[in-house]
Amino acid sequence: QSVLTQPPSVSAAPGQKVTISCAGSTSNIENNFVSWYQQLPGTAPKLLISKDDQRPSGIPDRFSASKSGSSATLAITGLQTGDEADYFCGTWDDSLSVGIFGGGTKLTVL
Amino acid sequence: EVQLVQSGAEVKKPGSSLKISCKGSGYIFNNYWIGWVRQRPGKGLEWMGIIYPGNSETRVSPSFQGHVTLSADKSFTTAYLQWSSLKASDTAIYYCARFAGYCNTKCYYYGLEVWGQGTTVTVSS
Repeated sequence: QSVLTQPPSVSAAPGQKVTISCAGSTSNIENNFVSWYQQLPGTAPKLLISKDDQRPSGIPDRFSASKSGSSATLAITGLQTGDEADYFCGTWDDSLSVGIFGGGTKLTVL
Repeated sequence: EVQLVQSGAEVKKPGSSLKISCKGSGYIFNNYWIGWVRQRPGKGLEWMGIIYPGNSETRVSPSFQGHVTLSADKSFTTAYLQWSSLKASDTAIYYCARFAGYCNTKCYYYGLEVWGQGTTVTVSS
């Protein structure tokens, strides 16, 4: 059971928007930066978002993220079939003194 | 280009030892923490720990403390993950990744910004 809670799955049609939530606590999300990762089937994870809402070079602006209190949200607009993947949130936990990940959310583009 | 290249797949028996590697290139290896992440078959990502190659300082998750050893060789720009006695439950893909951020009394973690391709470890009798 992960310290960060994500929905197991989300789905939406091509072209639509989807959001993925990541719920934590004061010891992690609220007082630390959140990052988001995309893992396409059979590949290594890739950084989508760092420092709560910063897109690394090469990440399309269809991907955005926000944080409020002890929760964070990843939004993907203009969904494409190529976006089908597992998405993970991550942050540092001050109580555990380690990095932590959410359990992951499987995105299906119908 | 910043790259992390990991060693190849391993098949080992329970109780055996193993050391896998992660070679960095395209950046000053000593100046960035390297993290290790486990992914068991069909499961999510688990944070194992981080190492700073500049001085080999480590921060290992309590869940893995005592079972794995993190090390680094600056001269070879390579980080290592090592087991002295493998268990079947160690069967997983292991990823290394460059840690964006820094650590002093606590760690300020911006993200894992560059990932290796993963090393599959299978432990079976």
